[in-house]
This record gives sequence, structure tokens and C-alpha cells, in this order.
Amino acid sequence: DVKVTQSSRYLVKRTGEKVFLECVQDMDHENMFWYRQDPGLGLRLIYFSYDVKMKEKGDIPEGYSVSREKKERFSLILESASTNQTSMYLCASSLVFYPGKAFFGQGTRLTVV
Amino acid sequence: GENVEQHPSTLSVQEGDSAVIKCTYSDSASNYFPWYKQELGKRPQLIIDIRSNVGEKKDQRIAVTLNKTAKHFSLHITETQPEDSAVYFCAASINTGFQKLVFGTGTRLLVSP
Repeated sequence: DVKVTQSSRYLVKRTGEKVFLECVQDMDHENMFWYRQDPGLGLRLIYFSYDVKMKEKGDIPEGYSVSREKKERFSLILESASTNQTSMYLCASSLVFYPGKAFFGQGTRLTVV
Repeated sequence: GENVEQHPSTLSVQEGDSAVIKCTYSDSASNYFPWYKQELGKRPQLIIDIRSNVGEKKDQRIAVTLNKTAKHFSLHITETQPEDSAVYFCAASINTGFQKLVFGTGTRLLVSP
């Protein structure tokens, strides 16, 4: 079974803090994604990466950055957390030729106070 | 960019009834359409997918149909059971130099015994 593991299930951070969300996959997948899930808005793509040190903006990249130094690890960074970034964050990975067959992590519920 | 609309947002059925969830997409270049199921508190998981060269695909009680001309696709669940209760997301895969998924806003399906 593919395993995609996010470092935290729940996080509470203060406004203005720098926040790191970590994701690790164990199936040697080339693609990795960060999504944000909000009620009524579905899953919105923040950033994705198709190779080490490569990254592409998704639909809502503002206020976020990413890092992929190793193939198995993809980090999402909130440079200065704001209350409107309170959300569920989902990491996913997939093979390069099957981007739609994504395997998701368990999610991180981030609350910014 | 690609836009995926999903309806209805909520759907309540009696056990044993059929359920249909519909999605439309805007980019005619989309060529892959997966469906994900997310049970309460769990990660989204792929349940069925269809490629643009296929009109229908079945897997036991679930089926997906695709109408490329109209740019819509649907998920059909027959003989619904309480364990089918979940949020279902459709998605379309588009090529923007890199294949990425755009998700619908989700349908909350409630199956009552």
C-alpha cells in the first residue's frame, strides 16, 4: 500500500508565525501536491512538484511556498500565517504518467489564531 | 483555466435506492476523469476513473459515464448502502504542460437505512 504521511494531524499557530507542513511518501512517486480543503469549495490546488527541486503554482499559491529537496518529501510553508489560512491541508502523490491516480495523506487541520 | 462544476451539493437517499452525481468541465482537452470518496474524518480515495476514449465504466455497484460532446460525466451508485455515505469529488485532468487535477466542490451523500 502506498503511504502518504503528513507530519501533524492538528496544528494551532498564531497570526504572523512561519508554519511548516511536512509530507512524506514511500512509493517513489514523481508527483506531489498540496491541496487545501474548505467546505463548499472542494479541493483547491496550492502547489505541485513533478521532480526534486521543481515546483509549479496551482490555483491558490498566494501566501504559500513549497520545498522539495528530496523525492519523498514535499513541504508546504506559510511564510506569515493569517486567519484566512485556517483550513484542512491535504498532501498527495502520484506517478508521473498517472497524475489523476493520487494517493492522499490523512490531512492537517491548521487553525491560525 | 479548467473549471469543474459538481451537482448536487447534498444528496439524501434511502438504502437500496440509486444515486447519481453529475459534473461538467470546461476544458475540452481534459482527458481523464477520476472520482474520489472521502468518508468522515478520512482521506480521499480513488474509487473509479474513466478516460476520454471510453464512454462508460462499471465496477460492481458504481459506474461512471462520460459525454465528451456535452463535457459532462456522472457517477452512478446502485443499491446504495449506509457505508456509501461520504463526500464524493469528481475531477478532471488537464494538460498545462503538466497534467494536473481540478476538483469539483463535492457532493455529500447520505444513505438512510
